[in-house]
Amino acid sequence: DTGVSQDPRHKITKRGQNVTFRCDPISEHNRLYWYRQTLGQGPEFLTYFQNEAQLEKSRLLSDRFSAERPKGSFSTLEIQRTEQGDSAMYLCASSFGQGDGNTIYFGEGSWLTVV
Amino acid sequence: GESVGLHLPTLSVQEGDNSIINCAYSNSASDYFIWYKQESGKGPQFIIDIRSNMDKRQGQRVTVLLNKTVKHLSLQIAATQPGDSAVYFCAENSGGGADGLTFGKGTHLIIQP
Repeated sequence: DTGVSQDPRHKITKRGQNVTFRCDPISEHNRLYWYRQTLGQGPEFLTYFQNEAQLEKSRLLSDRFSAERPKGSFSTLEIQRTEQGDSAMYLCASSFGQGDGNTIYFGEGSWLTVV
Repeated sequence: GESVGLHLPTLSVQEGDNSIINCAYSNSASDYFIWYKQESGKGPQFIIDIRSNMDKRQGQRVTVLLNKTVKHLSLQIAATQPGDSAVYFCAENSGGGADGLTFGKGTHLIIQP
């Protein structure tokens, strides 16, 4: 399967713990995006990278969230000191070139439950 | 702020009928629109897209219509099948600033046998 890959698919953690999600984009795609989706809502944009550079961060991305894409390939999204409100599905997506007119493909998501 | 929205949270259609899912957007600067299908527990799946310089685009069993005058987008699915059952989102990319997509809340398409 050469689509966007996310790991782990599911994570249950206790409040206050740190979690990290990994995303492997489609291999030739230079843009990588992170979104968050809660039940009954559409995905919300968090941040995106062009190659290894993080070009934009949504105000939804609090100081407890950090994303990296060190070599311009895979990316990690870390959430520190998790809160119950962080429970959501975290979606990774990738595209080649700009999102405008270049299809953004999503992974299957990483479900986070904070208890 | 400005966002993409949908008219109906749920749409129920008979198998074999055509489905029309509507979306209203408010950002007049948006120049690219996409429809995604999301099945339960999965990520959004690209269906079809359209740029603002077009008013219609057809794919396999799907057609997207764009009316920029009234800021309205629709997805038509011909001969709806059980596998079409999912939540459908429209999304927009306004171009300037954020390169990410802004999604609406989604319409849950239910197929009646």
